[in-house]
Amino acid sequence: QKEVEQNSGPLSVPEGAIASLNCTYSDRGSQSFFWYRQYSGKSPELIMSIYSNGDKEDGRFTAQLNKASQYVSLLIRDSQPSDSATYLCAVRGDSNYQLIWGAGTKLIIKP
Amino acid sequence: NAGVMQNPRHLVRRRGQEARLRCSPMKGHSHVYWYRQLPEEGLKFMVYLQKENIIDESGMPKERFSAEFPKEGPSILRIQQVVRGDSAAYFCASSPLLLASSEETQYFGPGTRLLVL
Repeated sequence: QKEVEQNSGPLSVPEGAIASLNCTYSDRGSQSFFWYRQYSGKSPELIMSIYSNGDKEDGRFTAQLNKASQYVSLLIRDSQPSDSATYLCAVRGDSNYQLIWGAGTKLIIKP
Repeated sequence: NAGVMQNPRHLVRRRGQEARLRCSPMKGHSHVYWYRQLPEEGLKFMVYLQKENIIDESGMPKERFSAEFPKEGPSILRIQQVVRGDSAAYFCASSPLLLASSEETQYFGPGTRLLVL
């Protein structure tokens, strides 16, 4: 059974600090990794994707991938209250269409 | 370029009635996925369809639920004889033809909130 694990939180971070969200996956053959943000009552929105080991930066967001350890993380620098949301980790399995979803981590940025 | 469209956005049904949820994928996308999300819970995959084909329905309850994606028109998720436990947000996502790139992912519509009284 392929799984994606996330700490459900809530993760509370003061405004301006770095928020660190983690995700582990069980399928060693996974190739594509995605972070989605979901505000309460809204649909998931893609914010980052990563396919190679290492870091990928986009504005205040940095995705980190370590295939050997089977984890992917998302760092949010200079956290803002507007970053408060649930962050979903999704991993593409070897069937090449199915995304395996984590349950999400609820992030709260405190002013 | 319009995104994924879903309607209705909110749907209220009484127990025993039928619910029909519609999804129009993004232009150029030929793959549709349906998910269910209960309050404060994660996304649960239900079904994956291409035009006129159900590719994977492993997440769909065996009874009362069906899905289709006809050659013309939107994809439809149909729930017959709804029960209170069907109350949830139902999200549709679409993706383009997979041959292009393994980097392609799914883009979500705004969802349909179903409430069964």
